[in-house]
Amino acid sequence: NAGVTQTPKFRVLKTGQSMTLLCAQDMNHEYMYWYRQDPGMGLRLIHYSVGEGTTAKGEVPDGYNVSRLKKQNFLLGLESAAPSQTSVYFCASSFQGANTGELFFGEGSRLTVL
Amino acid sequence: GENVEQHPSTLSVQEGDSAVIKCTYSDSASNYFPWYKQELGKGPQLIIDIRSNVGEKKDQRIAVTLNKTAKHFSLHITETQPEDSAVYFCAASRNDYKLSFGAGTTVTVRA
Repeated sequence: NAGVTQTPKFRVLKTGQSMTLLCAQDMNHEYMYWYRQDPGMGLRLIHYSVGEGTTAKGEVPDGYNVSRLKKQNFLLGLESAAPSQTSVYFCASSFQGANTGELFFGEGSRLTVL
Repeated sequence: GENVEQHPSTLSVQEGDSAVIKCTYSDSASNYFPWYKQELGKGPQLIIDIRSNVGEKKDQRIAVTLNKTAKHFSLHITETQPEDSAVYFCAASRNDYKLSFGAGTTVTVRA
């Protein structure tokens, strides 16, 4: 049982380049989330989705876009990467809303923007 | 939005001693308070949670207490073991789909 899988695990970008992080879950969860983790700041919500075809902004959405074309996948895009986007990105999914039950996290994707 | 503050940021304890991490939240409408443990190189994993209609919850060596009036909640780990070394995050959620996390506490258990 793979759970939540993130691709790639590591990536180095130059300022202005674009990239997409892929999150896949095999638990048939409705809700999916993208967080970023920075030292001393915990986990901050970037975007989330409450079902296939839906997306919504979180706390820090600027500079990111997302898509949920298939229930099992949640893509996070950076159109023009900036050094401030250097971070560890975590995808999570849940059967019900975040205020109801457990979030299942992937192992993270470390992104460095030079 | 919700603001969750977590203290201390680092905690070092002798094996066998207890560890306590405290969090405060700002939104009185928050009603769900989970704790997540993150081991090195892994994603966070839920270890215990509590709802606003309960004051305390225990699961073996870990317990969580909630004071709604003061808007703070705490994680207690008793008889600490080396495998308890990790980063712990508290979080709070109101009646929507978002979870607000504290900044995290790095716990080190000394043998």
